[in-house]
Amino acid sequence: DQQVKQNSPSLSVQEGRISILNCDYTNSMFDYFLWYKKYPAEGPTFLISISSIKDKNEDGRFTVFLNKSAKHLSLHIVPSQPGDSAVYFCAASGFGKLIFGTGTRLQVFP
Amino acid sequence: DTAVSQTPKYLVTQMGNDKSIKCEQNLGHDTMYWYKQDSKKFLKIMFSYNNKELIINETVPNRFSPKSPDKAHLNLHINSLELGDSAVYFCASSQDLGAAGNTIYFGEGSWLTVV
Repeated sequence: DQQVKQNSPSLSVQEGRISILNCDYTNSMFDYFLWYKKYPAEGPTFLISISSIKDKNEDGRFTVFLNKSAKHLSLHIVPSQPGDSAVYFCAASGFGKLIFGTGTRLQVFP
Repeated sequence: DTAVSQTPKYLVTQMGNDKSIKCEQNLGHDTMYWYKQDSKKFLKIMFSYNNKELIINETVPNRFSPKSPDKAHLNLHINSLELGDSAVYFCASSQDLGAAGNTIYFGEGSWLTVV
């Protein structure tokens, strides 16, 4: 029973364009949502988060949008850069733990 | 300085063996975790400890036994290794347990292959 889902296993975007990564969740009790970025052979690193009481949080090129009624969040990266190529994990915080999605592999090409 | 460090990074071992993965964090955090990423890329929590006390045990087989000698260390011992134990194991830490927006910091992972 997967409570956090990332339905797109991969995404390919041209450099300079917008990357949009999507995430859906099932439990309305989650109180915080986070995005992690993972390079090969490294651990996930925190990227950006959003509280369940907000609908948008922006940090430089990264913006996370939360639609609570749809139980959906998205990560926008603009402009995308080749160094953004990585696996992005969506995570939901609740019940003393983080529950992760299966990740979306983003490839930014020149 | 690595915030969360785990050793070994790579481990190949035979079925039936017992092995340990060590983890240390120098962030002064109270909570530490073990996560497992399997072949399907699911990243799932196994255990969490807060101030050396076990908080979460996510229906992990008894062959897996975490040990926390102090709040800066959380080691994972695995008995009688099975092929299905092959995965990447990530140690992690956070300041508090389950606090909203509490950022979790991960180690680089330990690649375990059971043959």
